[in-house]
Amino acid sequence: EVQLVESGGGLVQPGGSLRLSCAASGFTFSSYWMSWVRQAPGKGLEWVANIKQDGSDKYYVDSVKGRFTISRDNAKNSLYLQMNSLRAEDTAVYYCAAFMVNWFDPWGQGTLVTVSS
Amino acid sequence: QSVLTQPPSLSGAPGQRVTISCTGSSSNIGAGYDVHWYHQLPGTAPKLLIYDNTNRPSGVPDRFSGSKSGTSASLAITGLQAEDEADYYCQSYDSSLSGSVVFGGGTKLTVL
Repeated sequence: EVQLVESGGGLVQPGGSLRLSCAASGFTFSSYWMSWVRQAPGKGLEWVANIKQDGSDKYYVDSVKGRFTISRDNAKNSLYLQMNSLRAEDTAVYYCAAFMVNWFDPWGQGTLVTVSS
Repeated sequence: QSVLTQPPSLSGAPGQRVTISCTGSSSNIGAGYDVHWYHQLPGTAPKLLIYDNTNRPSGVPDRFSGSKSGTSASLAITGLQAEDEADYYCQSYDSSLSGSVVFGGGTKLTVL
C-alpha cells in the first residue's frame, strides 16, 4: 500500500523553528519528485516546495524562500521540511505529497503547525 | 487572491449534473499547462480526481470528467451523490512564478 506519513508538527512561537518529516512506503520513493503543500485553517491549498529525485533541484513559493528548506534522504525513504523564522501566517496543516510529473499523488494525512505566542 | 479562479461554492440536488470552473490566464492554463483536480472530504487530505485535464486515476468513477479550453478548465460531476459533498481544487503551473505550482481557491460543493 502506498503511504505517506507526516510528523513533527506542533505549537511553536513566532521566530522559532520546526522540522517536519514524511515517511514514504509502498512505492519507489527515490524515483519521484516530492513536495510539501499546506492549508491554513479554513483556507485553500498552497504549494510550498518541491525537490527533485536526487535532491539537486529545489523550488519554493516566494513567501517561504530563505526561511524553509526542503530535503530528502532516499536511503530512509524520507522527506523533510526545515522551517525557520516561523510566522503566524505559516500556521497550517502541512501535507507531504509525491509530485507525479505535474500533479500531486498520493498525499499524506498532514501535520498541523501552529505558530503562536 | 488565487492565480486560478474558482467559484467559492456550488450546490446541486442528488442526480443532477454540476460543473466547477477554473479560470486562469495566459501564463498558466492559457500557456498550455495541464490542469489537475482534487477533492477533499471534510477533515481529510486532498485526493487526486483528474490529471492532465481529462484523465481519471484508477478507482475514480466515470461520473467525474475534466475538460480544458483556452484559459479555463472545468470539472463536471454527473449523477450527483451525497458523498460528492466536498471541497474541489484545480491545480496547474504558472510560468510567471519561478517553479510555481498554483492552486485554485477551491469550491465547496453542497449536495442538497
